[in-house]
Amino acid sequence: EAQVTQNPRYLITVTGKKLTVTCSQNMNHEYMSWYRQDPGLGLRQIYYSMNVEVTDKGDVPEGYKVSRKEKRNFPLILESPSPNQTSLYFCATTPGQTNTGELFFGEGSRLTVL
Amino acid sequence: GEDVEQSLFLSVREGDSSVINCTYTDSSSTYLYWYKQEPGAGLQLLTYIFSNMDMKQDQRLTVLLNKKDKHLSLRIADTQTGDSAIYFCAESSPGGSYIPTFGRGTSLIVHP
Repeated sequence: EAQVTQNPRYLITVTGKKLTVTCSQNMNHEYMSWYRQDPGLGLRQIYYSMNVEVTDKGDVPEGYKVSRKEKRNFPLILESPSPNQTSLYFCATTPGQTNTGELFFGEGSRLTVL
Repeated sequence: GEDVEQSLFLSVREGDSSVINCTYTDSSSTYLYWYKQEPGAGLQLLTYIFSNMDMKQDQRLTVLLNKKDKHLSLRIADTQTGDSAIYFCAESSPGGSYIPTFGRGTSLIVHP
């Protein structure tokens, strides 16, 4: 079954405690991306990756890091989380190159930073 | 300004038709999409339309595209409580490697 899997789904943490949200896909997609969703603001892109070892900043990259060492995984790293990073996070993938551009989303990771 | 704009809320009565509207700015938009996000879940593609089409119909869903006005709409006939969700309009273009740019989402509330 084609899947985009995020972990953890829910996390409560404290300011400054480093955390990683993992994203894994089994569809051999080239493109992967992280979004955060906040009420009234819709989806905002944090970082994206067009392929292995290629990552770029999205609209709101401050306070986040990513890596793309292998095709299937694209972890989101918060080195020193702050309360303004409390949000719902989504990983999304698409085949890349010529296609309809359909993005496949994970189930989301709800993060609370106290 | 935003590349894709849509109103934030829409409330309809069960059985009525819902129409969610969206405007976009990129004249080179090639694909236009509607995604649905049910409570507690990620977004899922509901339907999409290619820019050389005016209309696409799929069961209760009708998508209308006015390319001249850069206006996209989604009509849901006979709206049911299960249609309550957030609906995101999105567009993609060659200049953006066909990666969708999203609007803020419209919360559709269906009441009895």
